[in-house]
Amino acid sequence: QVQLQESGPGLVKPSETLSLTCTVSGGSISNYYWSWIRQPPGKGLEWIGYIYYIGTTNYNPSLKSRVTILVDTSKNQFTLKLTSVTAADTAVYYCARHGVGGYYVSNWFDPWGQGTLVTVSS
Amino acid sequence: QSALTQPRSVSGSPGQSVTISCTGTSSDVGGYNYVSWYQQHPGKAPKLLIYDVTKRPSGVPDRFSGSKSGNTASLTISGLQAEDEADYYCCSYAGTPYVFGTGTKVTVL
Repeated sequence: QVQLQESGPGLVKPSETLSLTCTVSGGSISNYYWSWIRQPPGKGLEWIGYIYYIGTTNYNPSLKSRVTILVDTSKNQFTLKLTSVTAADTAVYYCARHGVGGYYVSNWFDPWGQGTLVTVSS
Repeated sequence: QSALTQPRSVSGSPGQSVTISCTGTSSDVGGYNYVSWYQQHPGKAPKLLIYDVTKRPSGVPDRFSGSKSGNTASLTISGLQAEDEADYYCCSYAGTPYVFGTGTKVTVL
């Protein structure tokens, strides 16, 4: 079955760029939509954005000016970049697959990665 | 886009039923049949319970069911079990395109 694993620095300095990678195993990244979702400590979930395997993206308007999501089908990975981070960006970041494959996006997330905590601090 | 409104907590005894509401607007919950529900145990990733308002993925017990009326979606847990104690989040397509609920802690008494 498909498994997702987030990786990247656990500590980022304010004003710098947060960069995380999600590696997909047990299945192909092709033909699916893939999302990044975050959860500040003790708080709720926030959708960041998604990418289709051919590179089509859609971002949360509240983060759009700072977010870029890229895909590398040769490595079965997709990447999140968030620029100009502040303490408010401290969160557990999850990657997740959209439910079923195909051109039309399915509007649920399954499965999820285990999540990785990113702390923004000097 | 504001978060969908959920009660902060609900509780019930083993075997009882509890219902969690998820209230939005005509721009999200009320406008689309794309509400999903997730269960999250402490320190763990969310797990899909319900998608497209009422559909249950394989492997999810039929004790979990979803519904929607107007701008409010609901998740019902029937025959509450100890392992159901967790946080629950709704999520709706909103054209933006996704908004999550504020989360509900379910306590099994």
